[in-house]
Amino acid sequence: ETGVTQSPTHLIKTRGQQVTLRCSSQSGHNTVSWYQQALGQGPQFIFQYYREEENGRGNFPPRFSGLQFPNYSSELNVNALELDDSALYLCASSFGTSELHEQFFGPGTRLTVL
Amino acid sequence: AQSVAQPEDQVNVAEGNPLTVKCTYSVSGNPYLFWYVQYPNRGLQFLLKYITGDNLVKGSYGFEAEFNKSQTSFHLKKPSALVSDSALYFCAVRDEGGGFKTIFGAGTRLFVKA
Repeated sequence: ETGVTQSPTHLIKTRGQQVTLRCSSQSGHNTVSWYQQALGQGPQFIFQYYREEENGRGNFPPRFSGLQFPNYSSELNVNALELDDSALYLCASSFGTSELHEQFFGPGTRLTVL
Repeated sequence: AQSVAQPEDQVNVAEGNPLTVKCTYSVSGNPYLFWYVQYPNRGLQFLLKYITGDNLVKGSYGFEAEFNKSQTSFHLKKPSALVSDSALYFCAVRDEGGGFKTIFGAGTRLFVKA
């Protein structure tokens, strides 16, 4: 059984650019959630994807968007990057969307915006 | 609104001594509570959860947590700390019926001295 993987590990972009982060869910998991963890803070929920549809969203602007593919892997896209977007982006997968389901986290992608 | 507070930025303990990492929460309904650990350059690793039942929950690596409804607390404990327990610990909460949205605390850094 493979765990959650994310790519790339690190990324440096400049303000105004666009970025795509990728996540492969754990085998058998159909739900992917994305979190932003700024330095010194806890993770903040961005959105969740279930069966290729967005299933809920946190307090993030529309320039944060995502996709989920038939194999349940997922992408997080961020347009018009701002300096405050610099953070560790975590992907978590689970089997199901309810509050009872445990999430398994990937190692994260460290995004630096200059 | 849901919230989680971890009142200590850092906890220092000597190896072999008991450790406690504090967490208090606020939800509108019944809480589902979680503890995660994060090592440098790694994603979050699940330690334990409280859904219902016994107030004392046992988890991975000898950790346990006590749910106290009257004090709205869910403190993480371990009888004998190891140097390898040094890491960043996050408490998280979900609201019963509130679905998958997970609210994390800001984290507590545990430092175990040999």
